[in-house]
Parts: sequence; C-alpha cells; structure tokens
Amino acid sequence: QITLKESGPTLVKPTQTLTLTCTFSGFSLSTSGVGVGWIRQPPGKALEWFALIYWDDDKRYNPSLKSRLTITKVTSKNQVVFTMTNMDPVDTATYYCAHFSIVGDPTYAFDIWGPGTMVTVSS
Amino acid sequence: QSALTQPPSASGSLGQSITISCTGTSSDVGGYNYVSWYQQHPGKAPKLIIYEVTKRPSGVPDRFSGSKSGNTASLTVSGLQAEDEGDYYCSSYAGSNNFVVFGGGTKLTVL
Repeated sequence: QITLKESGPTLVKPTQTLTLTCTFSGFSLSTSGVGVGWIRQPPGKALEWFALIYWDDDKRYNPSLKSRLTITKVTSKNQVVFTMTNMDPVDTATYYCAHFSIVGDPTYAFDIWGPGTMVTVSS
Repeated sequence: QSALTQPPSASGSLGQSITISCTGTSSDVGGYNYVSWYQQHPGKAPKLIIYEVTKRPSGVPDRFSGSKSGNTASLTVSGLQAEDEGDYYCSSYAGSNNFVVFGGGTKLTVL
C-alpha cells in the first residue's frame, strides 16, 4: 500500500525560503519509471503542479516557478524534499506530494496523494 | 489562469448523467493520451478517477467514464449519486517542458 505524507512549517514570512518534505512508503524511488511530484492549491482555487523528481534523478519544474524551486530525493530515507525561495503571500496554499509513474498502470497521473499541508505566508 | 479550461460549475439531479469538458491545445490534451481526472471533496486530497483518457483505477465505479476528441477531453458521470458532489479537475501531460497542466476545476452539485 502506497502512502505519502507532507511535513514542514505551517507559517513562513515573506521573502523566506520554504522547505517541505514528502515521506513515503510502499514504493521505492529507485524503481525505474517512478516519480514523486508536488502540487499546490491556494485556498478556494485550482490545483497547480510545480515540481517532480524521477527515479533516475531527472527533475521537472513548472516553467513559471522554476527559478525559485529545487527538488531533491533521499532514496535511503524514502523522502523527497523541495525548497521554494522568496516566498510571497500569493504562495499561501495547501501543498501536496503525490506518486507518479511512467510505467505500469496507471501512468502519467498522480495516482496516490498525501493528505496535504497548509502553508501560510504572512509577516 | 489555468492551462486547461473547464466550466466552473455543473449540476444534475440524482440518477441523471452529466458531462464535464476540459479544453486544452494540441500541446497537451490533443497531443497525448495522458488525460486524467481527479475528484476532490472539501478538505480532502484529490483522488484519481480517470487516467489515460478512459481508464479507471481499481475501486472507481464504472459510472465514471472519460473520452477525448481533438483538444477537448470529457468526464461523464452516469447515475449521479449524492457522494459525487465535489470538485473535479482535469489534467494532461504536456511534454517534457511544461510536463503537467491542470484545469481550473468544476464544482459539481447533485440536486
């Protein structure tokens, strides 16, 4: 059974850097075709994908946020960490991590999601 | 502004069918058979209900079905039930640069 869970600060100040960790179980990020992605959702608004890391350390970023993002994996700990620099109140959102795969079934979809963590950006 | 266009709301009576559209471009919906749909209830994480345009994950009722024509994908919910009420988001693979794009979401109300 695949599970994921996000952790990190619930409140950050403007201009600070946000670091969130996704801790997962039930799969390995060393398995070919597997990835972990990050998606966020501002209150009352739509989902927005912004980062993903593959088993082979290949990384994908939303072009609109790419300059502010870094995603890394700690395979031995079953964790994926992302940082977002220069946080702004518009970055206030629930942040989700999710399992993704390009092989097997399903593919090219976020099939299992963490419960999400709400991050507020305010001074 | 979201990359994929969905109607903001939809409604139907118990037992009826509704269809939600999701319009993109040839760079996403029209270019790949990797459209997925997610159901989200208030305060909950999204749940995958359709992937690869037409496929359902295990456990998703066959009342949910997906299709695609050109740059527009559609989700049909047949035999509406009260628990189908919620927000629905479409998503599409968009190539190695944009990777994944989401729609703006559709709030489904069951009357």
